Amino acid sequence: GPKVLQIPSHQIIDMGQMVTLNCDPVSNHLYFYWYKQILGQQMEFLVNFYNGKVMEKSKLFKDQFSVERPDGSYFTLKIQPTALEDSAVYFCASSSGTVFSQNTLYFGAGTRLSVL
Amino acid sequence: GDSVTQTEGLVTLTEGLPVMLNCTYQTIYSNPFLFWYVQHLNESPRLLLKSFTDNKRTEHQGFHATLHKSSSSFHLQKSSAQLSDSALYYCALSNYAQGLTFGLGTRVSVFP
Repeated sequence: GPKVLQIPSHQIIDMGQMVTLNCDPVSNHLYFYWYKQILGQQMEFLVNFYNGKVMEKSKLFKDQFSVERPDGSYFTLKIQPTALEDSAVYFCASSSGTVFSQNTLYFGAGTRLSVL
Repeated sequence: GDSVTQTEGLVTLTEGLPVMLNCTYQTIYSNPFLFWYVQHLNESPRLLLKSFTDNKRTEHQGFHATLHKSSSSFHLQKSSAQLSDSALYYCALSNYAQGLTFGLGTRVSVFP
């Protein structure tokens, strides 16, 4: 089936550094999402992105977070600077339309971010 | 806001026995869409089942679920568990802005 690729699978960085998480969504998809999952907790919505713009973001999407997808390349999540509480698995997802239009979200395998 | 509650923690069972994972939800929308995603170790969460229709059974790969709006439920069932069913299962609710609202997830371990 359609695949979403996330690079890298694991990233270890020191607190205060910048990190960029990369997502290669399904090729014809238009809607992109980031979810955050802290160990032992549920996946929580961070942000969604459509037509070059952030459509919705949650309170977890702090000012230090940003997303972009320049010229149809990777959909990226940048955290600058990182904090200890940013340690989590970050899942990227994409869909061809909105969920309310009965479209399916396809997920990547996640990037495990460890902030030391 | 929207929320999803599912069977908590770890469910262990013997191969061949039935499995049922509970899922209930809360939402202001009168026509919610419900999903079950399954995630095997080191893999992506992938869609297992989805339903938009009240009281209609949906099936895939031996699993089935029925959306009951009257009880706000979407329980997942399988009549005979297999070793390969060992995975993490998420119940999720459509959310207009956020795509999906997830439950905590239920880990299923099937033993011979």
